Amino acid sequence: NAGVTQTPKFQVLKTGQSMTLQCAQDMNHNSMYWYRQDPGMGLRLIYYSASEGTTDKGEVPNGYNVSRLNKREFSLRLESAAPSQTSVYFCASSEDSTYAKNIQYFGAGTRLSVL
Amino acid sequence: DQQVKQNSPSLSVQEGRISILNCDYTNSMFDYFLWYKKYPAEGPTFLISISSIKDKNEDGRFTVFLNKSAKHLSLHIVPSQPGDSAVYFCAASAGDQAGTALIFGKGTTLSVSS
Repeated sequence: NAGVTQTPKFQVLKTGQSMTLQCAQDMNHNSMYWYRQDPGMGLRLIYYSASEGTTDKGEVPNGYNVSRLNKREFSLRLESAAPSQTSVYFCASSEDSTYAKNIQYFGAGTRLSVL
Repeated sequence: DQQVKQNSPSLSVQEGRISILNCDYTNSMFDYFLWYKKYPAEGPTFLISISSIKDKNEDGRFTVFLNKSAKHLSLHIVPSQPGDSAVYFCAASAGDQAGTALIFGKGTTLSVSS
């Protein structure tokens, strides 16, 4: 059981380049999330999708777009990368049942450097 | 303004002793609290959680205590083991809506020496 899978694991971009971070979960979860983690900081929510077909902004959405392609997949796109977007990006998913309220399961992360 | 605060960036404990990690929150709407553990180059993994209707939840060596009046929770690890060395994040959420975001603290790095 793979859980939450993120690709790529590492990426180096030049300022202004674009790229898409991919995330897929095989737990049949309804909700999916994208977070970023910077040194000495906790995880901050970029965007989330409560269910297939819906997306909402989190705490730090500027410079990002997302697509909930289907129930399994949730991608994060950087249209014009900036050095401030150098970070580790984590995708997560949650079942949202009463029993498993708000327990989110995370992927291994994508380490992105923007030069 | 930080809604979830972990004021100790690091904690060092000897193997076999108790580790106590602390977390404070400011938002009285938070009703569910979680602890995550993170090893280097891996994603956070869920450790234990507690609902605001409880004041204690126990799972093996891990116990979480919640003091709502003080807006404070703590994670106790007894006995501590070298494999517990990791970064521990406290997180909180409010409400029952699907897709409720977690608000994370900055983390506490626990080092357990043998």
